[in-house]
Amino acid sequence: NAGVTQTPKFQVLKTGQSMTLQCAQDMNHNSMYWYRQDPGMGLRLIYYSASEGTTDKGEVPNGYNVSRLNKREFSLRLESAAPSQTSVYFCASSELQGKSPLHFGNGTRLTVT
Amino acid sequence: GESVGLHLPTLSVQEGDNSIINCAYSNSASDYFIWYKQESGKGPQFIIDIRSNMDKRQGQRVTVLLNKTVKHLSLQIAATQPGDSAVYFCAENKGGSQGNLIFGKGTKLSVKP
Repeated sequence: NAGVTQTPKFQVLKTGQSMTLQCAQDMNHNSMYWYRQDPGMGLRLIYYSASEGTTDKGEVPNGYNVSRLNKREFSLRLESAAPSQTSVYFCASSELQGKSPLHFGNGTRLTVT
Repeated sequence: GESVGLHLPTLSVQEGDNSIINCAYSNSASDYFIWYKQESGKGPQFIIDIRSNMDKRQGQRVTVLLNKTVKHLSLQIAATQPGDSAVYFCAENKGGSQGNLIFGKGTKLSVKP
């Protein structure tokens, strides 16, 4: 099993450009999450999907949108990238929201110039 | 412990010694706690978890202790090895059941050979 797979691994955008970060999990997990990680700030929750068909805002949702395409896939979209969105983005999945461990992908390193 | 500013607290130990990494959590309603390990360039990796109805849980070379009275969590690593060098995060399901995991800012463990 691959676990949680994120694409791309690296991306450079110019301010105002858009892009979609892709995430897929093969563990049949119900819940999926997008976090961002910045130096000194730890992991902060952007959006989550407790189950297929639902999505909700996390701690830092502004400037992002998400789509839970099916049980396996959860994408994160930046409609108009800003330098403040330069970060490392992690997708994660868990069997049950708040009651079981999150399994993380290896991240997408995004730079917005 | 928790980080201040851009610099993570660092714990430096000699190979073969035991390591203790501490974490203060914030919410009395949190009932699920997890420790993660993150190596450079990778996503966080699940180490061990504990529910609030327990005070202690042991894994392979690791022990997690939970003190609900003072809202304190610790991770003990026995016979620390160079491969244990990484950043360690604690997480709590803030708000209790159905709450999303909120992460601490991390502690960097450095193992001297």
